[in-house]
Amino acid sequence: GQNIDQPTEMTATEGAIVQINCTYQTSGFNGLFWYQQHAGEAPTFLSYNVLDGLEEKGRFSSFLSRSKGYSYLLLKELQMKDSASYLCAVMDSNYQLIWGAGTKLIIKP
Amino acid sequence: TAGITQAPTSQILAAGRSMTLRCTQDMRHNAMYWYRQDLGLGLRLIHYSNTAGTTGKGEVPDGYSVSRANTDDFPLTLASAVPSQTSVYFCASSDSGANSPLHFGNGTRLTVT
Repeated sequence: GQNIDQPTEMTATEGAIVQINCTYQTSGFNGLFWYQQHAGEAPTFLSYNVLDGLEEKGRFSSFLSRSKGYSYLLLKELQMKDSASYLCAVMDSNYQLIWGAGTKLIIKP
Repeated sequence: TAGITQAPTSQILAAGRSMTLRCTQDMRHNAMYWYRQDLGLGLRLIHYSNTAGTTGKGEVPDGYSVSRANTDDFPLTLASAVPSQTSVYFCASSDSGANSPLHFGNGTRLTVT
């Protein structure tokens, strides 16, 4: 079966750096997405990786290793507003999105 | 730009009753989707539509139906609600292309009693 694994919850300190990991086993691979979801709100798109390596967007970066079935989202200079759930999703060979359950990130002052 | 509008925001529904969740987008996206989100689980696809006039079944389609009469609207109908359909429902749309991200509506929180 297809599976996406992410930690359920992480805690970090304001101003610090945090890395949220995502491992996947899917039928084929056509890209990996990261979304941010604040409590009670809709998910919003953060990043897309289809080739190995690091994609940087301001304070957020996303890394992909296709051979290892692994990605991470790196958040730098954490702010209180970064408290949210972070969802990893993989597009399989049928172009269907497979979603992880999300990682709830708690930022402490 | 409104993006995607869902209605209602929340609803309490008696088991056995029917209900239609509304979804409208103004981005002229071809593809639209209905997901449910339950605590501890990833988003699960209920139904999707790649273009107006076509629909397809997702991972959890039983008990739900959809229609896509035009590009903008993609309503989701529960014919006879059951308590296990208590969930948060998100409508989403995307452009064509594997790297096109989903744009989500604000969700409908449905409680079936």
